[in-house]
Amino acid sequence: KAGVTQTPRYLIKTRGQQVTLSCSPISGHRSVSWYQQTPGQGLQFLFEYFSETQRNKGNFPGRFSGRQFSNSRSEMNVSTLELGDSALYLCASSLTGPPTDTQYFGPGTRLTVL
Amino acid sequence: EDQVTQSPEALRLQEGESSSLNCSYTVSGLRGLFWYRQDPGKGPEFLFTLYSAGEEKEKERLKATLTKKESFLHITAPKPEDSATYLCAVEGDYKLSFGAGTTVTVRA
Repeated sequence: KAGVTQTPRYLIKTRGQQVTLSCSPISGHRSVSWYQQTPGQGLQFLFEYFSETQRNKGNFPGRFSGRQFSNSRSEMNVSTLELGDSALYLCASSLTGPPTDTQYFGPGTRLTVL
Repeated sequence: EDQVTQSPEALRLQEGESSSLNCSYTVSGLRGLFWYRQDPGKGPEFLFTLYSAGEEKEKERLKATLTKKESFLHITAPKPEDSATYLCAVEGDYKLSFGAGTTVTVRA
């Protein structure tokens, strides 16, 4: 069974630009969560989607948004990029999502903002 | 708000030298505690889920235990390939709250 895939794996952008990251969950999984990982803050929750509905959102500014499609694939968008947005963005999928369901992570997208 | 604290931040071990990692948590009603392993530049890899105090799970040289306030990850006779960052997380409302992790380095 294929794992969670994320594209692209690496991105370099400049301040003020916007970026869209993509996540394809494990086949059959309907919940997709997004996390930001930085050396200083660790892994921080961005948002979670289940059947195209956002069920929870972390403490991030409105520049961070996401969506989920009917085939459970998900995208996240960051507008007006700032230097501090440089991070590893991780997507995780699970059958039904939290609580209690195990989340499986993809390899991440490394975003560098110059 | 859910809080997770892991200690120590870093651990250097000789091959074969057993040790334990600690994860203490504050959560309103634990629904699940998760352990993940993360290698540099990669996504976290799932290891264990623990649901109730007293529960234990094992996988190769790793053993996770859970009490009402903390969890331990015991590494028995580690090998260099066990070098990684070990992350602990607790389940909240449709999200995981992670600790900062413990970076384990095992020298041959």
